Amino acid sequence: KAGVTQTPRYLIKTRGQQVTLSCSPISGHRSVSWYQQTPGQGLQFLFEYFSETQRNKGNFPGRFSGRQFSNSRSEMNVSTLELGDSALYLCASSSGQVWHEQYFGPGTRLTVT
Amino acid sequence: KQEVTQIPAALSVPEGENLVLNCSFTDSAIYNLQWFRQDPGKGLTSLLLIQSSQREQTSGRLNASLDKSSGRSTLYIAASQPGDSATYLCAFLWEAAGNKLTFGGGTRVLVKP
Repeated sequence: KAGVTQTPRYLIKTRGQQVTLSCSPISGHRSVSWYQQTPGQGLQFLFEYFSETQRNKGNFPGRFSGRQFSNSRSEMNVSTLELGDSALYLCASSSGQVWHEQYFGPGTRLTVT
Repeated sequence: KQEVTQIPAALSVPEGENLVLNCSFTDSAIYNLQWFRQDPGKGLTSLLLIQSSQREQTSGRLNASLDKSSGRSTLYIAASQPGDSATYLCAFLWEAAGNKLTFGGGTRVLVKP
């Protein structure tokens, strides 16, 4: 069974630009969650999508948005990039039942210059 | 406020020694707890999942316990090996937070040959 895949693995962008990250969950999983990891703040929850609907949202500004497609693949978009958005962005895949295990992808390393 | 603390932040042990990693949490109303491993610059690998109704889980050399009354979870790694060197994170799924994991800051482990 294939694991969670994220593309691209590395990105370098300039302040003010926008970026789109992609996550393909494990086959059969309907929930995709996004997390931001930085050395200063650790791992923080961005949002969760389940069956194409945002089901849960963290405390991030509106510049961070996402969506989920009918095949459960999810994209995350960050507009008007700031230097502080440099981070490892991880997505997690699960069945959607809250007591089920979550599986993480390898992450996308975003560097904003 | 639901918080997760991992102490110490870093740990160095000689090969063969047993590892004991601690995680404390402030709210016992959890769905489950997951322990993860993260290698530098990589994604998270799920090690063990403990449901709220369980006291412990075991997988090979790994054993994790959960004590909701004291707000503590412990991950034991028996007979450590250099390949166990990584950062270990605990994460909780709280009943009031839906499918959102709240992470501790992690313990960085170095096993010296």
